[in-house]
Amino acid sequence: DGGITQSPKYLFRKEGQNVTLSCEQNLNHDAMYWYRQDPGQGLRLIYYSQIVNDFQKGDIAEGYSVSREKKESFPLTVTSAQKNPTAFYLCASSPGRDNSPLHFGNGTRLTVT
Amino acid sequence: GNSVTQMEGPVTLSEEAFLTINCTYTATGYPSLFWYVQYPGEGLQLLLKATKADDKGSNKGFEATYRKETTSFHLEKGSVQVSDSAVYFCALSPRGAGGTSYGKLTFGQGTILTVHP
Repeated sequence: DGGITQSPKYLFRKEGQNVTLSCEQNLNHDAMYWYRQDPGQGLRLIYYSQIVNDFQKGDIAEGYSVSREKKESFPLTVTSAQKNPTAFYLCASSPGRDNSPLHFGNGTRLTVT
Repeated sequence: GNSVTQMEGPVTLSEEAFLTINCTYTATGYPSLFWYVQYPGEGLQLLLKATKADDKGSNKGFEATYRKETTSFHLEKGSVQVSDSAVYFCALSPRGAGGTSYGKLTFGQGTILTVHP
């Protein structure tokens, strides 16, 4: 079955450490996205990529970095510069065509203490 | 900028009750509108969408109509079930100068729905 795989489901890190969240898709989608979800808030866009080797900052990119070396993969690194990294992170993809909806992974819950 | 405002939750209903979750938006041009649903511990799933004024999206008994005059996209269901308990997100996707939607969604804050037997 095609879909988006995020791993791990739960991740724990100490403050000051960088951590990388994995996102893989086998839907052959061109575009991929990272969103952050906090309790009582909607999703906020961190980074997005519409083609391989290109990505753009979203609304809350500070303290995060990404790469898009392969079409299937869009890993997100949460750096030590991110002031409030504890959150639920969702990866999504889309064909990149007009009005095409996003397909989401099941998310990674990151806890930094 | 673009924004989406949903009615505050949580919403608690008995099975077979009528559901309305209000959603209004602010956007330039003519965005596409979506409702997504999130079940506990999972990512979001597309529930329905509408791409132009007066379009009605529908799926699994849920409906929403794109009302440009009131900038609204309210979600309705005539008879809810316990299995509908989830968080519901309204979202919009802007259109670029060339009429292309770039997939960068703006989400509302989500509305928690709990349905009791």
